[in-house]
Amino acid sequence: AQSVTQPDIHITVSEGASLELRCNYSYGATPYLFWYVQSPGQGLQLLLKYFSGDTLVQGIKGFEAEFKRSQSSFNLRKPSVHWSDAAEYFCAVGVVRGTASKLTFGTGTRLQVTL
Amino acid sequence: EAQVTQNPRYLITVTGKKLTVTCSQNMNHEYMSWYRQDPGLGLRQIYYSMNVEVTDKGDVPEGYKVSRKEKRNFPLILESPSPNQTSLYFCASSFDGGGGELFFGEGSRLTVL
Repeated sequence: AQSVTQPDIHITVSEGASLELRCNYSYGATPYLFWYVQSPGQGLQLLLKYFSGDTLVQGIKGFEAEFKRSQSSFNLRKPSVHWSDAAEYFCAVGVVRGTASKLTFGTGTRLQVTL
Repeated sequence: EAQVTQNPRYLITVTGKKLTVTCSQNMNHEYMSWYRQDPGLGLRQIYYSMNVEVTDKGDVPEGYKVSRKEKRNFPLILESPSPNQTSLYFCASSFDGGGGELFFGEGSRLTVL
């Protein structure tokens, strides 16, 4: 079974600083990889996804993520954080086997942005 | 507007009183799923459905039931709620399950006293 680890529960960065949120997964093959963001009181919104091909993936709101097979990682980055980026971020791993399908989420990283 | 709609958004109930949380999507998605979100545990899948009349257990199905009689609706049923089911619940849908983008509802906060 697949699993996802987000080692940082809470991260604080200053506005304008760079950001990297860590995500490690466990699965025998290359899974589908996602990053979702949850603003307070809202559902989750997809930031970006990786299926295959170029290992550097661009998403919405200026975010990008890099898939590193050797490290089983899919870290999320942003060069310059804005106060509106304060939210909770979830990494997720998707596996499709025949007619069965499963998406597993990490426990999330809460991002606080100081002005 | 493409959306996933859940109702009720907030509910306080008592132990043992059956309740249903409805979920409807207007995107003609095949796949629908229910998650619960608890502090420190992230989102855990309760049940999912690959298509009409096809449902399967997720990671935490105990105490819950679902049905998928129509493509657009996927209600979550708590036959006899208990306090450990107090949580924030999300319904989500996508074209193709584990490989596709999930569209989430706004969540239903349930408190069981």
